[in-house]
Amino acid sequence: KQEVTQIPAALSVPEGENLVLNCSFTDSAIYNLQWFRQDPGKGLTSLLLIQSSQREQTSGRLNASLDKSSGRSTLYIAASQPGDSATYLCAVSSVKYSGGGADGLTFGKGTHLIIQP
Amino acid sequence: DAGVIQSPRHEVTEMGQEVTLRCKPISGHNSLFWYRQTMMRGLELLIYFNNNVPIDDSGMPEDRFSAKMPNASFSTLKIQPSEPRDSAVYFCASSPPRGGETQYFGPGTRLLVL
Repeated sequence: KQEVTQIPAALSVPEGENLVLNCSFTDSAIYNLQWFRQDPGKGLTSLLLIQSSQREQTSGRLNASLDKSSGRSTLYIAASQPGDSATYLCAVSSVKYSGGGADGLTFGKGTHLIIQP
Repeated sequence: DAGVIQSPRHEVTEMGQEVTLRCKPISGHNSLFWYRQTMMRGLELLIYFNNNVPIDDSGMPEDRFSAKMPNASFSTLKIQPSEPRDSAVYFCASSPPRGGETQYFGPGTRLLVL
């Protein structure tokens, strides 16, 4: 059974710092990996999706890398801002269903990030 | 373009009552997912459908839970009878038919069973 672990569980840093969030998964047979953001009391917003054949994806100040063989991904946030404060969730889709649709996601428990002004 | 729509947004009920959660996926999406989020267990996949057909319901915790997708634009998750340990936020998500695409989440239904 796939298990996803995120480290650290919580992180508080001053505004402007670059930071790295870590994600590891136990079964390397994944279809893709996604990073989501969740604000308090809200749903999830997709940040980046990395297909299993890719090594990294970038969007603005965010960069996500994937090392499938070692079962690891990192989310790099450059020049952090108070608006980046949220919980960041890592999720993997396993190679289980190939009927033309997406597979269900296995989530980590998230990293609760606070950016101090 | 409307996102995934869930109703109700909040539900408070008493133990033993039936609870029905509703979801309308994004138009054109053919995969629909139900997740549950609790502090203790995080986000867990309950069941997902592809082209209205249930593909994997191994995450459904027990027989008290059931889900249906009668057509491409509507799904329900029913709990009968409800118990206090069912209290959680229930999310619905949908995904387009190309496979390997991101999932789009609804705002969730916050359920409290007293």
